[in-house]
Amino acid sequence: GAVVSQHPSRVICKSGTSVKIECRSLDFQATTMFWYRQFPKQSLMLMATSNEGSKATYEQGVEKDKFLINHASLTLSTLTVTSAHPEDSSFYICSANSNEYGGANVLTFGAGSRLTVL
Amino acid sequence: DAKTTQPTSMDCAEGRAANLPCNHSTISGNEYVYWYRQIHSQGPQYIIHGLKNNETNEMASLIITEDRKSSTLILPHATLRDTAVYYCIASYGKLTFGQGTILTVHP
Repeated sequence: GAVVSQHPSRVICKSGTSVKIECRSLDFQATTMFWYRQFPKQSLMLMATSNEGSKATYEQGVEKDKFLINHASLTLSTLTVTSAHPEDSSFYICSANSNEYGGANVLTFGAGSRLTVL
Repeated sequence: DAKTTQPTSMDCAEGRAANLPCNHSTISGNEYVYWYRQIHSQGPQYIIHGLKNNETNEMASLIITEDRKSSTLILPHATLRDTAVYYCIASYGKLTFGQGTILTVHP
C-alpha cells in the first residue's frame, strides 16, 4: 500500500531558530499534500494544502510567513517552522492521496514529527 | 465537511465486536464517510470509507444507513491493539477531524 514518510520524527530546537520537516510519498506521486498539526489531547487541525509547483493554500488563522511550505517535486513537500517559539511545539503530520480509491480523498498519513521548542 | 457526532469514549472486551456509531445528519450527496484511527503518538491510519453502500475490508465493516445520516464502524473481533481514537469524517474534499471516539479494548 501507499507509504508516506516524514523526517525527522522528533526534533528539539531553541526558541528563535527554524526547523524543516520533510514529507515524502515513497511509492506514488502526489500533486497535493496536506499538513496537519495536533496539540496534546486535541484532534488534528488542517494547517495547509501543499500544491506541487504552486503556492500552498493555508487554512484560516495559519500564518503563511511562519509556516513555509514548499512542494518542489511530486514526491516531496517540506514544512519550515520559522522563528519557532515554545507555543509552536506540537505534533506535525503530513498526508497525501495516492489515488488508489478513485474519487474518494483517501489520505495516507505520515508517522508525524514531534517538535519541541525550548 | 458535514458535522459528525461520535461518542466520546467506548469500551469493548477483547474478542468481541466493537460497534462505533457516527451521526452525520447534514451529509450531502457527494460526501464520503471515512473512518480513521490514531494510536497514541502516531499518524492516523485509514480504515475504510463509503459513499452509499455498506463496505467491508480486511480491517472492518462500514454500515451506512439508507438515508446516509449515520453510520457504524464494526471491528469484528477487537484486540488490545485496536485501542485507539477512532475518527469518523464526512467530506467531499479536505478531511476535517473531529474529537473522535476513544475506544478501549480490555482483556
